[in-house]
Amino acid sequence: SYELTQPPSVSVSPGQTARITCSGDALPKKYAYWYQQKSGQAPVLVIYEDRKRPSGIPERFSGSSSGTMATLTISGAQVEDEADYYCYSTDSSGNRRVFGGGTKLTVL
Amino acid sequence: EVQLVESGGGLVKPGGSLRLSCAASGFNFRSYSMNWVRQAPGKGLEWVSSISGTSTYIYYADSVKGRFTISRDDAKNSLYLQMNSLRADDTAVYYCAKDAPVAAPYFDYWGQGTLVTVSS
Repeated sequence: SYELTQPPSVSVSPGQTARITCSGDALPKKYAYWYQQKSGQAPVLVIYEDRKRPSGIPERFSGSSSGTMATLTISGAQVEDEADYYCYSTDSSGNRRVFGGGTKLTVL
Repeated sequence: EVQLVESGGGLVKPGGSLRLSCAASGFNFRSYSMNWVRQAPGKGLEWVSSISGTSTYIYYADSVKGRFTISRDDAKNSLYLQMNSLRADDTAVYYCAKDAPVAAPYFDYWGQGTLVTVSS
């Protein structure tokens, strides 16, 4: 079955740039999406179609994708950005949806 | 305002069954694919199943195929998940999630989830 691979954790100091990667064989042909989930809350979409930002998401959140890797970048990370981040996409058929294992972002 | 409200979770014994419901409001329900996503305690998100707006297309994760059945009632603006032959590893918060517009295969709205616990 198709898998998306993320690092389990990333740690930065406030104001630094955090980068979270996601690798998957279908990413050259399928968009990547990123969800933020804070403790006890439902996930929130922060990036869609590789690099687009939904309304209400701060400009410090950006996305990119090249080959089999997608990257979520948080420029000038804030303490309130501490959360679990999940990449999401579909397999090559588009019928099976997949989440990465999640990355815990620590900002301190 | 889009709202998704799940119900039906609870404690069930291994091998048992449970039916989850999701009441939707604030959008044209019949026009959107809907999904179930789950999260085991302390674990990551796992897509479970999707159903298209006309129920024409239905997909399942391998982990639940043959045991779970997704369905919808467009007249009632409701989504369902019938879960049979439940196992301990089905224990999770189950979220109802709406697909984004323009048939894009991602979730733009989520409910708050309902907890399913499978234990003897």
